[in-house]
Amino acid sequence: AQSVTQLDSQVPVFEEAPVELRCNYSSSVSVYLFWYVQYPNQGLQLLLKYLSGSTLVKGINGFEAEFNKSQTSFHLRKPSVHISDTAEYFCAVSLLKTSYDKVIFGPGTSLSVIP
Amino acid sequence: DAGITQSPRHKVTETGTPVTLRCHQTENHRYMYWYRQDPGHGLRLIHYSYGVKDTDKGEVSDGYSVSRSKTEDFLLTLESATSSQTSVYFCAISDTTHYEQYFGPGTRLTVT
Repeated sequence: AQSVTQLDSQVPVFEEAPVELRCNYSSSVSVYLFWYVQYPNQGLQLLLKYLSGSTLVKGINGFEAEFNKSQTSFHLRKPSVHISDTAEYFCAVSLLKTSYDKVIFGPGTSLSVIP
Repeated sequence: DAGITQSPRHKVTETGTPVTLRCHQTENHRYMYWYRQDPGHGLRLIHYSYGVKDTDKGEVSDGYSVSRSKTEDFLLTLESATSSQTSVYFCAISDTTHYEQYFGPGTRLTVT
């Protein structure tokens, strides 16, 4: 069965420190990969996406992610976090079929940036 | 920002009453989705639509129905609300090309 795992439910990190949020998936078909961010009391917004090409993808707000097909991972990184990065982060996988393309969301990682 | 609105934004209702949530888009996207978000579960797909009058079930569709009579509107109905349907409901849209979804601001529903 296809699934998305985010290994850390909560990640506290000090301001200006680097952070990595982990995402692993399992799928028997080709996939597109996404990271979304959700600020308090808001909907989700797209941070970055991998469709094809370079496995290192850059997104908004200084975030980047690397697709590793052999490890079926798509980890999100930022070299220096800011207080404003405090939010919930969701990894998502789009399963590519011949008809409807279904998206599966991970359970989310809560990033707390400590001053 | 993608033009997606949800109404109402907050609602408190009693067990057994019908509830309808509305999602409206101005982007003319083909696909529309309803999700619920609960602590520890992330986002779970309730129903989705791939065109006017074309809908299908998601993973948690029991107790919910949907309708899409116009491209821009997607309605989610709880025929008889239960306390287990207390949640935050998100509408999302996507076009047919890149599959990323654009989310509305959410509706917080409390069933007492």
